[in-house]
Amino acid sequence: EAQVTQNPRYLITVTGKKLTVTCSQNMNHEYMSWYRQDPGLGLRQIYYSMNVEVTDKGDVPEGYKVSRKEKRNFPLILESPSPNQTSLYFCASARQGTYTEAFFGQGTRLTVV
Amino acid sequence: DQQVKQNSPSLSVQEGRISILNCDYTNSMFDYFLWYKKYPAEGPTFLISISSIKDKNEDGRFTVFLNKSAKHLSLHIVPSQPGDSAVYFCAASAETSNTGKLIFGQGTTLQVKP
Repeated sequence: EAQVTQNPRYLITVTGKKLTVTCSQNMNHEYMSWYRQDPGLGLRQIYYSMNVEVTDKGDVPEGYKVSRKEKRNFPLILESPSPNQTSLYFCASARQGTYTEAFFGQGTRLTVV
Repeated sequence: DQQVKQNSPSLSVQEGRISILNCDYTNSMFDYFLWYKKYPAEGPTFLISISSIKDKNEDGRFTVFLNKSAKHLSLHIVPSQPGDSAVYFCAASAETSNTGKLIFGQGTTLQVKP
């Protein structure tokens, strides 16, 4: 089954404790992206990657890092989480040429206290 | 500033009637528009799209209309079914930028009553 898998689905952590949210897709897609969803703001792009070793900032990259060492994986790293990063996070992937018709993961609900 | 706006946070319609969800945008560089549907505890799923060279695209019960002069698009669902109850996000992209970047609206929660 074609899918984008995020882990964990739910996470509660404390301010300053480094964490990683993993994202993996099994569709051999070149393009991957991270979004955060906040009430009244819709989804906003954090980082995206056009292919292995190619990443770039989205609209709200501050406080986040990403890496793309393999085509299937695109982890989101919060080096020092803060309460304003409490949000619902989505990873997405798409094949080249259809970047906007993306497949989304089920989401990761992160709470930073 | 919100470049894509969905001004109605919620909409309630009766089963069998038409649902009309609206979306406005401000950036004239946007040339591709999409609607995504999201159920609780799931990620958004792509529903339908339209290129700026068209003014209408239809897929079964779903039709998207684009009015470029008004910078407005709408999604029509006819007939509406209870399974259509979800959050609908409008999104826009400047395809020529080739980044795949989507700008989303705030979402509209549709409730279809049996």
